Amino acid sequence: DVKVTQSSRYLVKRTGEKVFLECVQDMDHENMFWYRQDPGLGLRLIYFSYDVKMKEKGDIPEGYSVSREKKERFSLILESASTNQTSMYLCASSLQGDYGYTFGSGTRLTVV
Amino acid sequence: DQQVKQNSPSLSVQEGRISILNCDYTNSMFDYFLWYKKYPAEGPTFLISISSIKDKNEDGRFTVFLNKSAKHLSLHIVPSQPGDSAVYFCAASPRGGKLIFGQGTELSVKP
Repeated sequence: DVKVTQSSRYLVKRTGEKVFLECVQDMDHENMFWYRQDPGLGLRLIYFSYDVKMKEKGDIPEGYSVSREKKERFSLILESASTNQTSMYLCASSLQGDYGYTFGSGTRLTVV
Repeated sequence: DQQVKQNSPSLSVQEGRISILNCDYTNSMFDYFLWYKKYPAEGPTFLISISSIKDKNEDGRFTVFLNKSAKHLSLHIVPSQPGDSAVYFCAASPRGGKLIFGQGTELSVKP
């Protein structure tokens, strides 16, 4: 089974902190994605990557950056956390050319 | 600009009856459509998909219908079960592109 693992299920951070959300997949998928889920807004794409050291902005990249130094790991970075970044963050991966994504269990981030 | 829209935030259905979840899209370049199901505190899981060359795909209790002229797809669940209670996301993709998700519909199936 493809597995996408997000390092934390719940996080509470203070405004202004630098926050790292980690995601690891174990099936050699080329593509990795970061989404956030908010009520009434669905899943919105923050950043994605089709290869190591490659990254592309999604629909809502402001306030975020990413890092993909290894194929299996895709990190989301909140440079200076703000309360409007309180959300459920979901990582996903897929094979190149495959429409189906496999999601991790999510990280519920609260910024206070 | 919401390219994939699920206009019903919630739906309540009696156990054993049919659940119909709807999704509209605006981009005529979309050629593949998927439905994902999400339980609280879990990631979305793939449910069923349909290619734009088809108008129906069935998998057990789940059927997806695609009406390309209306840019509309729907998910039918028959019969509905309490374990189907979850948030359902519609997603669409152009060829070779990334998935674009709708806002989700929360389905509640009452015993």
